[in-house]
Amino acid sequence: EIVLTQSPGTLSLSPGERATLSCRASQSVSSSYVSWYQQKPGQAPRLLIYGASSRATGIPDRFSGSGSGTDFTLTISRLEPEDFAVYHCQQYGSSSYTFGQGTKLEIK
Amino acid sequence: EVQLVESGGGLVKPGGSLRLSCAASGFTFTNAWMTWVRQAPGKGLEWVGRIKSKTDGGTTDYAAPVKGSFTISRDDSKNTLYLQMNSLKTEDTAVYYCTTVGGVGSSPHFDYWGQGTLVTVSS
Repeated sequence: EIVLTQSPGTLSLSPGERATLSCRASQSVSSSYVSWYQQKPGQAPRLLIYGASSRATGIPDRFSGSGSGTDFTLTISRLEPEDFAVYHCQQYGSSSYTFGQGTKLEIK
Repeated sequence: EVQLVESGGGLVKPGGSLRLSCAASGFTFTNAWMTWVRQAPGKGLEWVGRIKSKTDGGTTDYAAPVKGSFTISRDDSKNTLYLQMNSLKTEDTAVYYCTTVGGVGSSPHFDYWGQGTLVTVSS
């Protein structure tokens, strides 16, 4: 099973700053199979990015995804107040899916 | 508008059984691949299992921790997805979400999520 490790566990930033979240896989993953989700307290996760770099419908262009092989990144170019949440990366492979443990993005 | 509404959660004793339902609307359920994802209190997301559309064989895959105990099924005439959970353990306590699978065959991802239903396994 491929293990995804997200870092940092918690990221403290201010509105207007740039956020860079990392997701590292224990073995190489096809970039087509990497997704990112945002989750706010008490809510279901929301799809942000699929195929490592494609934004889901309605997602603002301040969100971008990149990466290949074992290293993937979610970047939020300029943080808005509503962006403070938990972010999960996910991969698909061998008919199963795994998630990272999540990165909490909090207001500094 | 896509809607997924889970139901059937509640309190169950260890070793007990529970069946969750997910009522779908706003899309062609018959053609959809569907999954269940769970989240234990204060923890991350964990994929539980997936069922393909009947057109694509209707087969299921499960995560290792639930294989042999949980069964996913679907009733396309009712636009409803099910999760039958047997031999429940305390570590199965979680919010259970149903999701649709987008990008089948190219870049699979979970594009729509229900609001979740809480399952608590405790004596």
